[in-house]
Amino acid sequence: AQSVTQPDIHITVSEGASLELRCNYSYGATPYLFWYVQSPGQGLQLLLKYFSGDTLVQGIKGFEAEFKRSQSSFNLRKPSVHWSDAAEYFCAVGAATGGYNKLIFGAGTRLAVHP
Amino acid sequence: EAQVTQNPRYLITVTGKKLTVTCSQNMNHEYMSWYRQDPGLGLRQIYYSMNVEVTDKGDVPEGYKVSRKEKRNFPLILESPSPNQTSLYFCASSRTGHEQYFGPGTRLTVT
Repeated sequence: AQSVTQPDIHITVSEGASLELRCNYSYGATPYLFWYVQSPGQGLQLLLKYFSGDTLVQGIKGFEAEFKRSQSSFNLRKPSVHWSDAAEYFCAVGAATGGYNKLIFGAGTRLAVHP
Repeated sequence: EAQVTQNPRYLITVTGKKLTVTCSQNMNHEYMSWYRQDPGLGLRQIYYSMNVEVTDKGDVPEGYKVSRKEKRNFPLILESPSPNQTSLYFCASSRTGHEQYFGPGTRLTVT
């Protein structure tokens, strides 16, 4: 069955430190992969996406993610975290199911940033 | 500005009182969907609509109805809300069903 696992429920980093959020997926075909961010009281904003081609993708707000097929992973990274990055982050896989497309989400990782 | 709007943003109601949450998009997207977000569970799809002629159940459709009479609108209807439907609800639209654009969310409390 298709699924997305985000192993870390909560992560705390210091401002200026590097960040890596983990995402593993289970999907039989070549996946479409997404990272969304949800700031407190806000909807979900698309950070970046992978459809094909270069496995290192750049997104907004200085984020990047690397698709590793051999590890079924799509980890999100940022070299230097800002206090405004505190939010919840969701990894999602785009799946084709029963003739239609859908997104399958992980449970999310909540990021706290210490000054 | 391209956007998905939802109303109301916050709603407190009582068990059994019918309610409707509206959703509208201005991007001319064919695909729209509803999700609920619960702690530790991420987002789960309630219903989706591929176009005005096709609407179908998602992963957690029990207790919900939807309507797609025109492309831009996709209301979520709770005929008889129960406390286990207390949640944060998101509407989304998409050209393909993969890259989705989300509304700001509706926080529903059923007492």
